[in-house]
Amino acid sequence: NAGVMQNPRHLVRRRGQEARLRCSPMKGHSHVYWYRQLPEEGLKFMVYLQKENIIDESGMPKERFSAEFPKEGPSILRIQQVVRGDSAAYFCASSPRTQGTNEQFFGPGTRLTVL
Amino acid sequence: AQRVTQPEKLLSVFKGAPVELKCNYSYSGSPELFWYVQYSRQRLQLLLRHISRESIKGFTADLNKGETSFHLKKPFAQEEDSAMYYCALGGTSGSRLTFGEGTQLTVNP
Repeated sequence: NAGVMQNPRHLVRRRGQEARLRCSPMKGHSHVYWYRQLPEEGLKFMVYLQKENIIDESGMPKERFSAEFPKEGPSILRIQQVVRGDSAAYFCASSPRTQGTNEQFFGPGTRLTVL
Repeated sequence: AQRVTQPEKLLSVFKGAPVELKCNYSYSGSPELFWYVQYSRQRLQLLLRHISRESIKGFTADLNKGETSFHLKKPFAQEEDSAMYYCALGGTSGSRLTFGEGTQLTVNP
């Protein structure tokens, strides 16, 4: 099992461009979580998705941010019209099921730099 | 509301000394607590979870519901323990994790 995969590992964008971050969960996992880590801060929850459904997006900024987890393919976190304040490490995690535990397995993260 | 507090951002000890990383939480329901570790430039890895009551790499953590704490302890620190440690709280099964701000542990030779 290759573990949670994220790409790209590093992404540089200019202000106003779009950023697309991809996450492939572990094999057999159907639950995906996105977290953001701003410089000098801890991880903050953004969104929780299952296949084709957004379960909890209470941590997502109201504008410019969206996420999806289609039936086929990776989960995508999309940031439109990026600003300098979006510079952060974005981590994806996956889990196999909802019952019994909250244990999540993390990817290596995507470090977004907005120039 | 869920909240996790790690009061120490930085902790420095000498090799062979005991180490304790503090974690306090706030949650109205039945919590599930975790310790994650992040070595330099690597992904977060699960170190411990309270429900399994195990010892990993010499680390232990006990959930104290009375004090709402889940402190991480190791009797004899090693240089390879130097890393960032995050305490995390899970609520309803399958939901988000709430992380503390993290403690950067440095073990000096």
